[in-house]
Amino acid sequence: EVQLVESGGGLIQPGGSLRLSCAASGFSVRSNYMSWVRQAPGKGLQWVSLIYSGGSAYYANSVKGRFTISRDNSKNTLYLQMNSLRPEDTAVYYCAKEGYPANTGTGPFDIWGHGTMVTVSS
Amino acid sequence: EIVLTQSPGTLSLSPGERATLSCRASQSVTSSSLAWYHQKPGQAPRLLIYGASNRASGIPDRFSGSGSGTDFTLTISRLEPEDFAVYYCQQYSSSPYTFGQGTKVEIK
Repeated sequence: EVQLVESGGGLIQPGGSLRLSCAASGFSVRSNYMSWVRQAPGKGLQWVSLIYSGGSAYYANSVKGRFTISRDNSKNTLYLQMNSLRPEDTAVYYCAKEGYPANTGTGPFDIWGHGTMVTVSS
Repeated sequence: EIVLTQSPGTLSLSPGERATLSCRASQSVTSSSLAWYHQKPGQAPRLLIYGASNRASGIPDRFSGSGSGTDFTLTISRLEPEDFAVYYCQQYSSSPYTFGQGTKVEIK
């Protein structure tokens, strides 16, 4: 079964760090474009970061320089290292796999995890 | 950055009625790289439509997408009880990927 399971969320003080994990099953993280998407309480969806199968990474301006996306191919797991956390980073964080690639090579998110909640508060 | 604007913000309809949702982009979305999702409370979003008009696997044919360039539409031909949810459009033609702010389809 194709599945994504996130973990690592929790309550953290402003300025702190947290690492989220996303364990994949049924497909290879290394061979797919993978993203993190977040959703603040009661708000809409916001794309956070993307890693291509080739390893190139991209970030939303709001997290650039603070967040780092990576993957461990041996564990088939995607990560999001979050540093210098701010209250506005409070959200449910989803990992998602791209599918149905367009001519650009990118695609919509066809598989989503259940999400992990990150709360940044003192 | 491509800004996506969805309308209306809320759609109040009865089961069996037709729903028409709009998504307008601030610049042309290349290769029709436009997707639609719905999200129910406490759940992750689910992909409905990709490439502006293609149904994802397992999505019933009452869902259809159309449009190109900057104007896109999601149509639900006859609303079923499970269709009442929030709907988002998303462009994936280039980074940063962006989502619309959402349209809530609620029971009238």
